[in-house]
Amino acid sequence: DQQVKQNSPSLSVQEGRISILNCDYTNSMFDYFLWYKKYPAEGPTFLISISSIKDKNEDGRFTVFLNKSAKHLSLHIVPSQPGDSAVYFCAASEGTSYDKVIFGPGTSLSVIP
Amino acid sequence: GAVVSQHPSWVICKSGTSVKIECRSLDFQATTMFWYRQFPKQSLMLMATSNEGSKATYEQGVEKDKFLINHASLTLSTLTVTSAHPEDSSFYICSATTGTSGNEQFFGPGTRLTVL
Repeated sequence: DQQVKQNSPSLSVQEGRISILNCDYTNSMFDYFLWYKKYPAEGPTFLISISSIKDKNEDGRFTVFLNKSAKHLSLHIVPSQPGDSAVYFCAASEGTSYDKVIFGPGTSLSVIP
Repeated sequence: GAVVSQHPSWVICKSGTSVKIECRSLDFQATTMFWYRQFPKQSLMLMATSNEGSKATYEQGVEKDKFLINHASLTLSTLTVTSAHPEDSSFYICSATTGTSGNEQFFGPGTRLTVL
């Protein structure tokens, strides 16, 4: 049973436009969420996170929105750049301890020049 | 930022041999390290959680006798794939937490294992 879902395996966006990556979760105990970016043959790199006490967190071109009632979060990238082309993993955990983080299956983003 | 290295970055071995992968935190002490495996076009699958000085905690379905994990110091964890078979071919990634950054895990660059 997948606790973190990313229903779109891939997404193509024109350069300069907005990229919206979606993530849904089923475990209501999750209260800390992270997004990671991964290039082929490399380890994931942390992008942005959000605690359940917030509904929005922004860092430069990246904004994460959290809708707890819908158990849904999204990552917005504006404006999208070709270098943003990568696989994006949504991840979730319970609390801010160092327990394991559950990853979604990832969405492959292609930004077309 | 916190840097995690892995060695080797890729390895090719014959079936039946053992392969050791090292994971090092270069500029911080990592009380907890994680080992993941990624199959093509699939998510990261957590294999085990490793705490310095204690036995690793393996996820369900992961054979602890096949995937030996040692976390001997606060900066080094090793994963040994014993008696490797072609189905063990995969991309193995480690991560570490600093203990001060919440849930943020810092990932190594990964090791591509190919078993012939």
